[in-house]
Amino acid sequence: ETGVTQTPRHLVMGMTNKKSLKCEQHLGHNAMYWYKQSAKKPLELMFVYSLEERVENNSVPSRFSPECPNSSHLFLHLHTLQPEDSALYLCASSQDFSDRTYEQYFGPGTRLTVT
Amino acid sequence: AQSVAQPEDQVNVAEGNPLTVKCTYSVSGNPYLFWYVQYPNRGLQFLLKYITGDNLVKGSYGFEAEFNKSQTSFHLKKPSALVSDSALYFCAVREDYGGATNKLIFGTGTLLAVQP
Repeated sequence: ETGVTQTPRHLVMGMTNKKSLKCEQHLGHNAMYWYKQSAKKPLELMFVYSLEERVENNSVPSRFSPECPNSSHLFLHLHTLQPEDSALYLCASSQDFSDRTYEQYFGPGTRLTVT
Repeated sequence: AQSVAQPEDQVNVAEGNPLTVKCTYSVSGNPYLFWYVQYPNRGLQFLLKYITGDNLVKGSYGFEAEFNKSQTSFHLKKPSALVSDSALYFCAVREDYGGATNKLIFGTGTLLAVQP
């Protein structure tokens, strides 16, 4: 899984903490995504960036704040989370957001536990 | 609105037997269909996709999928299952025409368990 990397792989944080998740893609892609994966639920798309511009924001609470400084890096800043935010957070990338034929490539995810 | 359904939460198959993981979809236009696999503690890995052309699509690890427009299905198949195929499988769909969004919509996943 060297195409899309995520750090950290595991994170435990209290509700008052501030932390950040990092994603890096080495595929030369133009689009990057954040997904939330919870047990027994479909993948939830959180944010999409295309050429460093945010193009999708699916009613995500403001305690999640994305940042895309360049086309290879994506961050998800976390603050004052709730226990129900505990999940696997997946980063993905694709060649081009507007071309619907392209598949997405996923990182290994960050397992987040909010205590 | 586009949607995808995976009717089985779990599929059990003996090693060496053929396997099928079912997927049906609903879109307004033509569908672009994808299968992904997720091994424990890993992200999703792309297996194969249908965009246009031949209804039988071949992908990674010996998997294939058959697009059936009349039944709006895109079932994943493999002629001979391996224990190492045990994982969570996701079907996903995207519409081919312009609209408010071109999000990839995922099913809830099917757990494939291959017994030795």
